[in-house]
Amino acid sequence: DVKVTQSSRYLVKRTGEKVFLECVQDMDHENMFWYRQDPGLGLRLIYFSYDVKMKEKGDIPEGYSVSREKKERFSLILESASTNQTSMYLCASSFIETQYFGPGTRLLVL
Amino acid sequence: SQQGEEDPQALSIQEGENATMNCSYKTSINNLQWYRQNSGRGLVHLILIRSNEREKHSGRLRVTLDTSKKSSSLLITASRAADTASYFCAVDNAGGTSYGKLTFGQGTILTVHP
Repeated sequence: DVKVTQSSRYLVKRTGEKVFLECVQDMDHENMFWYRQDPGLGLRLIYFSYDVKMKEKGDIPEGYSVSREKKERFSLILESASTNQTSMYLCASSFIETQYFGPGTRLLVL
Repeated sequence: SQQGEEDPQALSIQEGENATMNCSYKTSINNLQWYRQNSGRGLVHLILIRSNEREKHSGRLRVTLDTSKKSSSLLITASRAADTASYFCAVDNAGGTSYGKLTFGQGTILTVHP
């Protein structure tokens, strides 16, 4: 079974802090994705990566950056957390078509 | 941007009834997928239907795709309380190299009462 893990289920941070969310997959998938999910807005793509050190902006990249130094790990970085980044963050990986999701990180920025 | 949009936003039924959810999209697609999300959890892939397919079955799930109307439906037959979840459609845009990038709709919240 594909396993996608995320570093934290719940996280509380203060405005202005630098926040790291980590995602690890164990299936040697090429593609990895970061989404945020907000009520009434569904899932919105922040960034994705199709290979090590390769990244592409999604629909809402502002205020975020990513890092993919190893194939199995894709990190989402909030350079200076703001209250409007309070959300559920979901990581996913895929080989070709089907995406496999982690359990999500619920981030609260105070 | 390309987006799957689900209808209805919420659906409440009794156990044993069928549940139908619809999804519309705007441009050409490679495939359309349905995912399920239990409250506070990640999404789980249910079924994928390609643009050249019209209908697909998996257990109690039946998915149809009408590319002329740019719409799809997900039917869950003989629903159970355990089917209570949010259901999302997601489209993989046609053309170019998508890297499996999907655009998700806002989801349908299904509640099945025992």
